[in-house]
Amino acid sequence: QVQLVESGGGLVKPGGSLRLSCAASGFTFSDYYMSWIRQAPGKGLEWVSYISSSSSYTNYADSVKGRFTISRDNAKNSLYLQMNSLRAEDTAVYYCARDEVAARAGWFDPWGQGTLVTVSS
Amino acid sequence: SSELTQDPAVSVALGQTVRITCQGDSLRSYYASWYQQKPGQAPVLVIYGKNNRPSGIPDRFSGSSSGNTASLTITGAQAEDEADYYCNSRDSSGNHPYVFGTGTKVTVL
Repeated sequence: QVQLVESGGGLVKPGGSLRLSCAASGFTFSDYYMSWIRQAPGKGLEWVSYISSSSSYTNYADSVKGRFTISRDNAKNSLYLQMNSLRAEDTAVYYCARDEVAARAGWFDPWGQGTLVTVSS
Repeated sequence: SSELTQDPAVSVALGQTVRITCQGDSLRSYYASWYQQKPGQAPVLVIYGKNNRPSGIPDRFSGSSSGNTASLTITGAQAEDEADYYCNSRDSSGNHPYVFGTGTKVTVL
């Protein structure tokens, strides 16, 4: 079945770095755009970044632009998020999700189970 | 970028109908998608496009749209429908491709 599994979360000090991974299975990974979406504790969902199927296009939320880098390895069916200069406000559960786009619509399905990133001294 | 606004909380009696709304300028150009999130779990897509349900989503969930407002309707709410619901759409106004709603907590009484 279609599945996404994140890993790499943990506790990191402010200013530190962390690399998240997302392993995809059950579909042709190289055919799809992919996104990272996060959720701070007790808060709503925030789109973070997306990458096109061939890595040609990327985009970032203003809150992470210049600090986070999204990448993918289609040979390994894997998505990554390199997070640098981490701040307390980056503390959140980070989800990877498959992008689907159609005329006048876009949606995320499926989502991974999420990985928790805690930025604290 | 655009914003999508939802009521923070709604309640519905077991077996009754509840409508959750989502308002924002981007909805004039794009359909909303809707996600259900239960405590400690990842969001799950329940409605996408004009009014499409992924496989496995009960037909009591339906979506509609008019002007700058999208709606998710649960007809005959069940206890297991108690959850947070988020809308989402593509964003036509800025540099970012997607925007999420503020979320609605649905309580089934």
